[in-house]
Amino acid sequence: GAGVSQSPRYKVAKRGQDVALRCDPISGHVSLFWYQQALGQGPEFLTYFQNEAQLDKSGLPSDRFFAERPEGSVSTLKIQRTQQEDSAVYLCASSSERGHTGELFFGEGSRLTVL
Amino acid sequence: AQRVTQPEKLLSVFKGAPVELKCNYSYSGSPELFWYVQYSRQRLQLLLRHISRESIKGFTADLNKGETSFHLKKPFAQEEDSAMYYCALPGGFQKLVFGTGTRLLVSP
Repeated sequence: GAGVSQSPRYKVAKRGQDVALRCDPISGHVSLFWYQQALGQGPEFLTYFQNEAQLDKSGLPSDRFFAERPEGSVSTLKIQRTQQEDSAVYLCASSSERGHTGELFFGEGSRLTVL
Repeated sequence: AQRVTQPEKLLSVFKGAPVELKCNYSYSGSPELFWYVQYSRQRLQLLLRHISRESIKGFTADLNKGETSFHLKKPFAQEEDSAMYYCALPGGFQKLVFGTGTRLLVSP
């Protein structure tokens, strides 16, 4: 595809369920980022991959959050035992440059609602 | 710590009026600043970055280190400029720190 693709677009989970959110970055992009955007807030950094290496996971709010990018392409963000405060839009972005230096291309986001 | 402040949640102007979206930052060193925009039902996208010194869609932004500001300006707003605007700066090599955003509403 031409852009960053995320799935599912919408996810409703009961509290305590595990969820997995997928990101397909633009082909060949080295950098992949996950951001969390709560209602009325700006995106907040969760984690960063350079190819398959997770170089920064300082923004992950708890050990219930886990991200991987095993082959340096598709990435999955997993949230275990979801809580209501996890409700947010999860944005994936990719870049052809390392780090933040290049333009970030964002996906449409996955909106997670935890009941 | 790096921080971005966008004091206005909503800015409402009439078509043809000048627009200034405020952004103040806290950063040690020389920052690289960005404006990202999200139009209705579209994804977040880069509008402009200060190092490129470009005018995109009629918008400009000047870095003022004395006032630690990077306000986004356009002399004559258009209805199609209505969107959410986010100011951002680096929070380390790997990430951007975003402000809370300003919704610009341009009325006919």
